[in-house]
Amino acid sequence: ETGVTQSPTHLIKTRGQQVTLRCSSQSGHNTVSWYQQALGQGPQFIFQYYREEENGRGNFPPRFSGLQFPNYSSELNVNALELDDSALYLCASSLGFEAYNEQFFGPGTRLTVL
Amino acid sequence: AQSVTQLDSHVSVSEGTPVLLRCNYSSSYSPSLFWYVQHPNKGLQLLLKYTSAATLVKGINGFEAEFKKSETSFHLTKPSAHMSDAAEYFCVVSGGNFNKFYFGSGTKLNVKP
Repeated sequence: ETGVTQSPTHLIKTRGQQVTLRCSSQSGHNTVSWYQQALGQGPQFIFQYYREEENGRGNFPPRFSGLQFPNYSSELNVNALELDDSALYLCASSLGFEAYNEQFFGPGTRLTVL
Repeated sequence: AQSVTQLDSHVSVSEGTPVLLRCNYSSSYSPSLFWYVQHPNKGLQLLLKYTSAATLVKGINGFEAEFKKSETSFHLTKPSAHMSDAAEYFCVVSGGNFNKFYFGSGTKLNVKP
């Protein structure tokens, strides 16, 4: 069974650019959530996708957007990058979106904005 | 509203001694609670979860946690620390209509030889 994978591992962008991060969910998982983890902090919820539809969103501006594909893989897009967007971006998949469902996390993408 | 407070940002123990990592939560719902561990340059790994069954939950690697509703706590314990336990630990609460995870700020566990 393949776990959650993310690409790329690291990324360096400049302020104002756009970035796309990718996530492959664990086999059979239909729900993908994205989190932002700033240095020294706990992860913060960005949004969640269930069967290709956005299922919930955290307190992030609209320049953070996402997609989920029919194979349940997902993308996180960030437009007009700001310095504060520098963080570890984590993708997590789960079998359903009920509150009791554990989430399985990928290793993350480290984004640096200069 | 849901939130998690991890009461210690750093905990240091000697190898072979007990570990206690403290977590208090707030939830408008009947909560689901989780503990995850994050080793450097590795993804978050689930240690254990509470989902309204037994209040004492056993997890991997000898960890366990007790759900105390009256104290709104979900502290993580281990009887005997191992060097490999050194990592950052996150307490998580989830509830309501979907599994939006609310993370605490983390506790870094240092294990001394």
